Amino acid sequence: NAGVTQTPKFRVLKTGQSMTLLCAQDMNHEYMYWYRQDPGMGLRLIHYSVGEGTTAKGEVPDGYNVSRLKKQNFLLGLESAAPSQTSVYFCASSYPRDSTDTQYFGPGTRLTVL
Amino acid sequence: AQSVAQPEDQVNVAEGNPLTVKCTYSVSGNPYLFWYVQYPNRGLQFLLKYITGDNLVKGSYGFEAEFNKSQTSFHLKKPSALVSDSALYFCAVRVLTGANNLFFGTGTRLTVIP
Repeated sequence: NAGVTQTPKFRVLKTGQSMTLLCAQDMNHEYMYWYRQDPGMGLRLIHYSVGEGTTAKGEVPDGYNVSRLKKQNFLLGLESAAPSQTSVYFCASSYPRDSTDTQYFGPGTRLTVL
Repeated sequence: AQSVAQPEDQVNVAEGNPLTVKCTYSVSGNPYLFWYVQYPNRGLQFLLKYITGDNLVKGSYGFEAEFNKSQTSFHLKKPSALVSDSALYFCAVRVLTGANNLFFGTGTRLTVIP
């Protein structure tokens, strides 16, 4: 099992450019999440999905869009990147049988917007 | 609403000494509490969780955590620190909504001094 993988690992964008981050999991998990990590702020939830074809907003969704066309993949899109979106992005997944289930995280994508 | 506080940004401990990383929480209802560790340039790795039962929870790499309901705390502990334990540690509480996501503290950087 590869677990949760993310591509790319690093990316530099100019303001206004667009990009898509890909998250893939091979654990047959129903729930998937996108978080961003900023210094001194822990991780904050951007969007999440409770199953194929469904998405919902998290704590900080502005400027991002997501899609979950396949159960194993969860895409995070930036349509017009801004410097405030410079961050490390983490994808996570969980089954969950119930709310006690553990979330498993990918290795992260470090994004810099100039 | 839920909240998690990690009152120490930085903890330094000598190798071989016991270590404690502090976490306090505030939730409505029963708390589901987690500890994750992040090594440099890596994703978050699950250490342990408290759902119910014994207040002392044992996890990976020799870590354990003590749940104290009256003090609303969930401190991470290890009897004898290793240099390789140096990392960023996050306490988190499960949000019991449709997202079932984790709400993270701001993290504590642990440095074990040889």
